[in-house]
Amino acid sequence: DTEVTQTPKHLVMGMTNKKSLKCEQHMGHRAMYWYKQKAKKPPELMFVYSYEKLSINESVPSRFSPECPNSSLLNLHLHALQPEDSALYLCASSQVKRAGAPEAFFGQGTRLTVV
Amino acid sequence: AQKVTQAQTEISVVEKEDVTLDCVYETRDTTYYLFWYKQPPSGELVFLIRRNSFDEQNEISGRYSWNFQKSTSSFNFTITASQVVDSAVYFCALGRGSTLGRLYFGRGTQLTVWP
Repeated sequence: DTEVTQTPKHLVMGMTNKKSLKCEQHMGHRAMYWYKQKAKKPPELMFVYSYEKLSINESVPSRFSPECPNSSLLNLHLHALQPEDSALYLCASSQVKRAGAPEAFFGQGTRLTVV
Repeated sequence: AQKVTQAQTEISVVEKEDVTLDCVYETRDTTYYLFWYKQPPSGELVFLIRRNSFDEQNEISGRYSWNFQKSTSSFNFTITASQVVDSAVYFCALGRGSTLGRLYFGRGTQLTVWP
């Protein structure tokens, strides 16, 4: 099973709303990631969690708040977003490098529109 | 610095034609990983292949084949007898041996296969 499940698939939110994106994997991976992808652009790394601890934050604005409650779940809490934050948000997971195959498996993403 | 270049922005072929997607990378690392991902309109990034920097063996898997050449820093991907379902954006990506999780993506190649 190489499945990463993201919910919701689509989300429209106002600039004053608070919402959360969820991601789940059951592959036993201990590294999980959030990427942001604008239209016709490659994905850009936002956050990396390793063993449920935040290991990389790519200088992401504080209106994006990640959380890793356990080894299978990854959340991205959203608050006071701007219209330019509208994008496809992709979750991914992988084995921790040097412990196995490093390829990341991605979910289908959440298409976020901020109005 | 790590960099991945996919010079082909868009490629159109007719079904059953062979098509090669080009990827050139830059890195000073001695240990690194190269990946190809496919992104259909649904948004999910589908992992296709990984090559380690120390493994230059090329491979054929069904209609897919890969040509990894360290001497020219290239990692090209060929689809034989293309099908309409192959239509997608294809991303080449570089992962460093030392930095957990970070993938450096090329800008992607939009492949359209016409019936």
